[in-house]
Amino acid sequence: QKEVEQDPGPLSVPEGAIVSLNCTYSNSAFQYFMWYRQYSRKGPELLMYTYSSGNKEDGRFTAQVDKSSKYISLFIRDSQPSDSATYLCAMSEGYQKVTFGTGTKLQVIP
Amino acid sequence: GAVVSQHPSRVICKSGTSVKIECRSLDFQATTMFWYRQFPKKSLMLMATSNEGSKATYEQGVEKDKFLINHASLTLSTLTVTSAHPEDSSFYICSARDTGSGSGNTIYFGEGSWLTVV
Repeated sequence: QKEVEQDPGPLSVPEGAIVSLNCTYSNSAFQYFMWYRQYSRKGPELLMYTYSSGNKEDGRFTAQVDKSSKYISLFIRDSQPSDSATYLCAMSEGYQKVTFGTGTKLQVIP
Repeated sequence: GAVVSQHPSRVICKSGTSVKIECRSLDFQATTMFWYRQFPKKSLMLMATSNEGSKATYEQGVEKDKFLINHASLTLSTLTVTSAHPEDSSFYICSARDTGSGSGNTIYFGEGSWLTVV
C-alpha cells in the first residue's frame, strides 16, 4: 500500500462546476498537508497549506483535512478553464521529507 | 509569497559532460532543500534532501557520485549531473522548506530545469 493514494484521473468537468479532489493516506503521523497545482512543463505551485485537521478557505479553493479518516480534499468552486492542470496532494510529519500523491489531472471544459 | 528560483530553466549538453543546476530561495532562508526528478506525465520522484552545511541524503537507487549536491549557504543549493548520458534527460525540480515564523513548514518549488543530453 502506498503511503499516499491519489486518483490520477483525468477528471473532466464543465466550466463553473465544483471540483472535488481527494487523497487518502496511511501514516497517522502526518501533520502538514498541502495542495499544489502543476501546469504542464512547470514546477508545482503551492495552493493551500493546512496544519492538522480542519478546513481552510482561500478564494475559490477550500482544503479539508480529516485526520480520523486519513482523508484530505481540495474543493474548487466556479471552476475555470485556467484551473486545468495536475493537482498534487502532499503531506509530512514535521520537518521531514514530504510525501506526494501521484497527482490528479483536471480538465475544465469551456 | 515565497519564491524559489531555479536556473537554468532549460539546458542542452553533450553526452559525457557535466551540468550544474542552481536552486535559490529568494526571500527566506532554507536549511533544507529537496531535489526531484519528473518524467513526462509522472509524479515527482525525490532524489535527495540537501541540508545546509552537511552532506545530502540520497534516496535509494540514486547515485550520489553522479548527482552531486552542494548546499553551501542558506539560500543556495546546487545539483551537478556528472558525466551526463541521454538517459539523464529529464525535468529536474528543486524545492525549499520555509520554516520561518508564521510560515508553518511550507515547501515552495522552483520552476524546474529541463535537461536534454545529446
